Amino acid sequence: GAGVSQSPSNKVTEKGKDVELRCDPISGHTALYWYRQRLGQGLEFLIYFQGNSAPDKSGLPSDRFSAERTGESVSTLTIQRTQQEDSAVYLCASTVGPAYEQYFGPGTRLTVT
Amino acid sequence: RKEVEQDPGPFNVPEGATVAFNCTYSNSASQSFFWYRQDCRKEPKLLMSVYSSGNEDGRFTAQLNRASQYISLLIRDSKLSDSATYLCVPNAGDSSYKLIFGSGTRLLVRP
Repeated sequence: GAGVSQSPSNKVTEKGKDVELRCDPISGHTALYWYRQRLGQGLEFLIYFQGNSAPDKSGLPSDRFSAERTGESVSTLTIQRTQQEDSAVYLCASTVGPAYEQYFGPGTRLTVT
Repeated sequence: RKEVEQDPGPFNVPEGATVAFNCTYSNSASQSFFWYRQDCRKEPKLLMSVYSSGNEDGRFTAQLNRASQYISLLIRDSKLSDSATYLCVPNAGDSSYKLIFGSGTRLLVRP
């Protein structure tokens, strides 16, 4: 079956512009995560969605970052007024449950100029 | 102190060698442990879960020492295709769903 997909694969934007990143999880996966990975560094947790429960937003670095997910479907991560330090790969992962394997999408490489 | 500490490497070994990676984690409440593999410019993929008693999957053996908060991964008979970055991943003790990804140890297997 299809894996996790993300779009766009690459995004170059000017400082100050807003960007929207999309994640399509594996069908039937109730949990969805967003991570950020800066060059040469580990994955940084951003946000977690589980079914219809309130999301865990504790990893969002500032109020410029927000994410939405409707039910168990697509999620979007929005970064407003982008800054150069937002440049990174943004990875989405989905899983059938919290203790299970996380399946990652290929990521969106964001470059803020 | 970092939540997860790994030697960044790179470990440069010949094909057929045995190589071991170590990892320490700071949260004594962590309950679940994993090794993920990440190829260059690719997404992470689960290599194996780590169980309390230690576990083996083919050429790969994982060990957990809760008292020392230490996890290891042993790769026997290294293949060229094992070249990647290996991420040590405990969960956050306060929530089972949150994983803490280490920065990884890079392995290069040469012919």
